[in-house]
Amino acid sequence: KAGVTQTPRYLIKTRGQQVTLSCSPISGHRSVSWYQQTPGQGLQFLFEYFSETQRNKGNFPGRFSGRQFSNSRSEMNVSTLELGDSALYLCASSLEGLAGGLPDTQYFGPGTRLTVL
Amino acid sequence: QKEVEQDPGPLSVPEGAIVSLNCTYSNSAFQYFMWYRQYSRKGPELLMYTYSSGNKEDGRFTAQVDKSSKYISLFIRDSQPSDSATYLCAMSVITQGGSEKLVFGKGTKLTVNP
Repeated sequence: KAGVTQTPRYLIKTRGQQVTLSCSPISGHRSVSWYQQTPGQGLQFLFEYFSETQRNKGNFPGRFSGRQFSNSRSEMNVSTLELGDSALYLCASSLEGLAGGLPDTQYFGPGTRLTVL
Repeated sequence: QKEVEQDPGPLSVPEGAIVSLNCTYSNSAFQYFMWYRQYSRKGPELLMYTYSSGNKEDGRFTAQVDKSSKYISLFIRDSQPSDSATYLCAMSVITQGGSEKLVFGKGTKLTVNP
């Protein structure tokens, strides 16, 4: 079974621009979560989508948004990029997602390395 | 105080050593405690999870949780160069909306030298 794929793997943008990152979950997985990873803050939760609905949201400004399509593929958008948005953006998929009960294993993609100049 | 604290290291040990990785937390509502391993240029992968105080073994890995002290540990026995990676602890909590989210430590970078 193919793993989680993320495109592009590397991206360089300038301040003020916007960017869209894409994530294809493992086949059959309905939940997609996005995380930002930086050396200073570590791995921080952005949001989770399940069946095309945002089910959970972290503490990030409204410049960060996402969506999920009917085939469970997800996109994340960051508008008006700032230098501090430079990070590794990770997508994780799971069968049912973060909805209580036994932990539903999240499978991470390799990430998109975003550099903002 | 951050919800989850983890010493970033780096930690360097010789092959065959016993490695101890630790996290402390402040939120008593955390339910599940997990350890992820992240190799360079890869996404994290789940190693182990546990939800009660005590020990859980899986091969060379042992996860330990002490809820009274709000402290979790991961022990690696007979460490191998292939164990060189960043290890992240993670904890799950039920949000106000009734769903669950993960909170990660910053990760400890481990190098096992042959």
